[in-house]
Amino acid sequence: DQQVKQNSPSLSVQEGRISILNCDYTNSMFDYFLWYKKYPAEGPTFLISISSIKDKNEDGRFTVFLNKSAKHLSLHIVPSQPGDSAVYFCAASSRPPQGGSEKLVFGKGTKLTVNP
Amino acid sequence: DGGITQSPKYLFRKEGQNVTLSCEQNLNHDAMYWYRQDPGQGLRLIYYSQIVNDFQKGDIAEGYSVSREKKESFPLTVTSAQKNPTAFYLCASSISLHIGELFFGEGSRLTVL
Repeated sequence: DQQVKQNSPSLSVQEGRISILNCDYTNSMFDYFLWYKKYPAEGPTFLISISSIKDKNEDGRFTVFLNKSAKHLSLHIVPSQPGDSAVYFCAASSRPPQGGSEKLVFGKGTKLTVNP
Repeated sequence: DGGITQSPKYLFRKEGQNVTLSCEQNLNHDAMYWYRQDPGQGLRLIYYSQIVNDFQKGDIAEGYSVSREKKESFPLTVTSAQKNPTAFYLCASSISLHIGELFFGEGSRLTVL
């Protein structure tokens, strides 16, 4: 049973436009969420995170929105650039003592392609 | 430069052979992890270690073994008991078990012939 779902395996957008990547979760105990970016044949790199006490976190071109009632989060990239083309993983966990890094649950990823 | 180094990047193995993947970090992190990624799948946790000389099974530990004799090293052995070992293996570390930001190595791709 997937606790973290990224229902869109792929997304294609034009350079300069907004990219919106979505993630849904089922476990109501999750209260810490992260996005990772992965290029082919490389390890994922941390992008941005949000805890459940917030509904928005912004870092430059990247913004993550959290809707706790819908158990939904999204990553917005504005403006999108060709270098953003990668696979984006959503991950979720509970804060200690219920959980920690070893309890991170990853989605299957969404492949973003930004066309010049 | 601080980071995580995995080796080898590519590895081929015959069925029935054990193989060990290396993971070294110079970030002074206490916690280390091994994940497996299959095509179209998320990352699945194999083993993790909170501290030297301690490690715990993750979600898919069967057919794998680890050791943590030094803080900076967390090698993974894929044994012949692992029924489907062909995959992309990722090592990661974090400051501690209770901080969610993981730093990943570049991965090792294992192919069983």
